[in-house]
Amino acid sequence: GAGVSQTPSNKVTEKGKYVELRCDPISGHTALYWYRQSLGQGPEFLIYFQGTGAADDSGLPNDRFFAVRPEGSVSTLKIQRTERGDSAVYLCASSLGEGFPPAKQYFGPGTRLTVT
Amino acid sequence: GQNIDQPTEMTATEGAIVQINCTYQTSGFNGLFWYQQHAGEAPTFLSYNVLDGLEEKGRFSSFLSRSKGYSYLLLKELQMKDSASYLCAVREGYSTLTFGKGTMLLVSP
Repeated sequence: GAGVSQTPSNKVTEKGKYVELRCDPISGHTALYWYRQSLGQGPEFLIYFQGTGAADDSGLPNDRFFAVRPEGSVSTLKIQRTERGDSAVYLCASSLGEGFPPAKQYFGPGTRLTVT
Repeated sequence: GQNIDQPTEMTATEGAIVQINCTYQTSGFNGLFWYQQHAGEAPTFLSYNVLDGLEEKGRFSSFLSRSKGYSYLLLKELQMKDSASYLCAVREGYSTLTFGKGTMLLVSP
């Protein structure tokens, strides 16, 4: 079946603009995660959805970042008033959900965001 | 807080065996994951350990010692395609992962 998909693959925007990044998880996966990865670093957790609700948004760096998942499937990460420091690859992952043993997280190809 | 340490870079030759170490200090522990990430691509799952001991999966094995806060990934019969970044990640709760910075492995002929 299809894996996690993310659009766009690349996004270049000017400082101060608003951007939306989209994630389509694997069908049937109830858990969805957003991470941000800078060059030479591991992925950094941003927010986690279980179904439609944000179960953990402790990784969002500030109130310019917001994410939604209104129908429990597709998710959109929204960044307002972008800054050059927001430039990174934004990764989305999905899994079957919480619990034990831990479910594997499957990652999408990412969206490379460049703020000029 | 959490702290996950891995070597930044390692080199090895084709056909050899390499061990990539990971140490962690986290407030909780609910599993340790290893991911492989080729340049410009998404991380892909390799293995996970929840209990102490060795998990073997083909050419890749992963070991965990919870009392020592230590894991390693063992790659045997190295191939050129194994050149990638290897990410160690700890699950503290029941969902999210905290990643280390990754170890860039370069396999040479």
